Amino acid sequence: ETVMTQSPATLSVSPGERATLSCRASQYVSRNLAWYQQKPGQAPRLLIYGASTRATGIPARFSGSGSGTEFTLTISSLQSEDFAVYYCQQYNNWPPSITFGQGTRLEIK
Amino acid sequence: EVQLLESGGGLVQPGGSLRLSCAASGVTFSSYAMSWVRQAPGKGLEWVSSISDSGGSPYYADSVKGRFTISRDNSKNTLYLQMNSLRAEDTALYYCAKDRIPSSSPYSMDVWGKGTSVTVS
Repeated sequence: ETVMTQSPATLSVSPGERATLSCRASQYVSRNLAWYQQKPGQAPRLLIYGASTRATGIPARFSGSGSGTEFTLTISSLQSEDFAVYYCQQYNNWPPSITFGQGTRLEIK
Repeated sequence: EVQLLESGGGLVQPGGSLRLSCAASGVTFSSYAMSWVRQAPGKGLEWVSSISDSGGSPYYADSVKGRFTISRDNSKNTLYLQMNSLRAEDTALYYCAKDRIPSSSPYSMDVWGKGTSVTVS
């Protein structure tokens, strides 16, 4: 099983500043990596797939990078609506399986 | 607009069974792999199971293998999760999710339902 480790667990950032969230895979996952945002009481929302491609309707301030085992989600100029929990997720081609990271809580500083 | 609506959750005793359903609308259901993802109270997301577009290939997390069975009825645009031998640690909000691209394998999920709550106690 591929274990996904996110850091930090909690990140405190002021509105307007940049946030950088990390995700590490325990084994090579190529670019089979997605990022989700979840707000309290809501279902997760797909932000990034293929490590760096924004999903439909996602603002340009969200960007993803990385490949192999190290990945980053960057949110430039944080807006009030961006404070939420963020999860990375890998998808293995074979055998097909999915693993989520434990999440990073992005809070207002 | 694509919508997913889960149902079937509830309170069940340890060792009991439940069958969850997820009704899809606004999408060519039979073209997409589908998944169940759960979230225990105050915890993170945990992948439970996925199924290929045709329904011929199910995939499971180790934590539920042998106890849960995923299936789908493409004629009814509905996904199912039969949960047997339930344990306290299965208590969670269960989400149904659609894969982003037409495929037989699960990748990333672009549409999620609101979830159905399962409590094992």
